[in-house]
Amino acid sequence: DAGVTQSPTHLIKTRGQQVTLRCSPKSGHDTVSWYQQALGQGPQFIFQYYEEEERQRGNFPDRFSGHQFPNYSSELNVNALLLGDSALYLCASSRSPSEAFFGQGTRLTVV
Amino acid sequence: SQKIEQNSEALNIQEGKTATLTCNYTNYSPAYLQWYRQDPGRGPVFLLLIRENEKEKRKERLKVTFDTTLKQSLFHITASQPADSATYLCAQRDGSSNTGKLIFGQGTTLQVKP
Repeated sequence: DAGVTQSPTHLIKTRGQQVTLRCSPKSGHDTVSWYQQALGQGPQFIFQYYEEEERQRGNFPDRFSGHQFPNYSSELNVNALLLGDSALYLCASSRSPSEAFFGQGTRLTVV
Repeated sequence: SQKIEQNSEALNIQEGKTATLTCNYTNYSPAYLQWYRQDPGRGPVFLLLIRENEKEKRKERLKVTFDTTLKQSLFHITASQPADSATYLCAQRDGSSNTGKLIFGQGTTLQVKP
């Protein structure tokens, strides 16, 4: 079992650009959540996808959007990047609310 | 709104000693709390879950307590080793939904010196 895999591992983008991050959940998991973790802070919930629908959203602007595919994999898209979007983006998969398995994260740097 | 607070100051201890990390929560009484370990630049790794009706839970050298009166959880690592050096995160489930959304503390960094 490969666990939760995210790609790419690192990414550097310029202000104003758009970025897409990808996540493959752990085998058997149908729910994917995305978190943003700024340096020195705990992860902050962005949104969660279940059955290809956004089921819950955190306090993030509409520039952050996502998608879940029939195979449960997911994408996080961020438009009009700001310097403040620089962070570690984490994907977590689960099949029940009491568990969450995290990927290794994507380090996004906006310059 | 729900809030989780952890000591943001790094904890430095000597190898072999017991490390104790604190997690305080407000504005909500969670059914359970979770503890994660996070190494630099990596995703959090689940360690332990303790439910509100469990006063204490152990896993190898790890021990977690849950005091609903104090609204606090303590995380202990006994016989600490340099390999235990990492950031430890406390999390609770968002009480306003049943989706499993997690609310994290800011984490406490533990440094174990040989």
